[in-house]
Amino acid sequence: AQSVTQLDSQVPVFEEAPVELRCNYSSSVSVYLFWYVQYPNQGLQLLLKYLSGSTLVKGINGFEAEFNKSQTSFHLRKPSVHISDTAEYFCAVIKTGANNLFFGTGTRLTVIP
Amino acid sequence: EAGVVQSPRYKIIEKKQPVAFWCNPISGHNTLYWYLQNLGQGPELLIRYENEEAVDDSQLPKDRFSAERLKGVDSTLKIQPAELGDSAVYLCASSLSGGLNTGELFFGEGSRLTVL
Repeated sequence: AQSVTQLDSQVPVFEEAPVELRCNYSSSVSVYLFWYVQYPNQGLQLLLKYLSGSTLVKGINGFEAEFNKSQTSFHLRKPSVHISDTAEYFCAVIKTGANNLFFGTGTRLTVIP
Repeated sequence: EAGVVQSPRYKIIEKKQPVAFWCNPISGHNTLYWYLQNLGQGPELLIRYENEEAVDDSQLPKDRFSAERLKGVDSTLKIQPAELGDSAVYLCASSLSGGLNTGELFFGEGSRLTVL
């Protein structure tokens, strides 16, 4: 079975400070990895994804994530956060060739003015 | 272009009552998903449709939950009778065929159910 672990349920950070949201996965086979964001009262939207190629992937709104196979991690980073980044962030994984997207439990990022 | 539309946004019912949720996917998206999101948890797949065919309903509690996607467009998810533990957000998503290969699922805003 595959699973996704988001170690931090809540991350408060001051505006313009850097942030890292952690994600680890467990799988014995190749995976695709994703980060979704859910702004208050909105649906989830895809922030970025890793399918293959460069392990550093860039997404919308200045976010990036790095796939680390040896650490089985896919941490999300942003060098300087804005108030508008306050949202719930979900890491998700799919085993290549499988038919389901497994989500982590989410990390609530709160940006403090 | 309109996104995935769900209704109602909020529903409060008493236990043992029936409830139904409706989803209109993005035009042209053949694949439709219903997810369940409990408080403090990530979304979990209930059922996936390819056009009008339910290709994965292994996680759908069939004793009280049912879903349909007539004509391969809109979909309805029903719970009858509802139980207290069904209080959650029900998310609908859609994608082009093969969307799971790219992870590009488009989600609606969800229907929040409260069972009293």
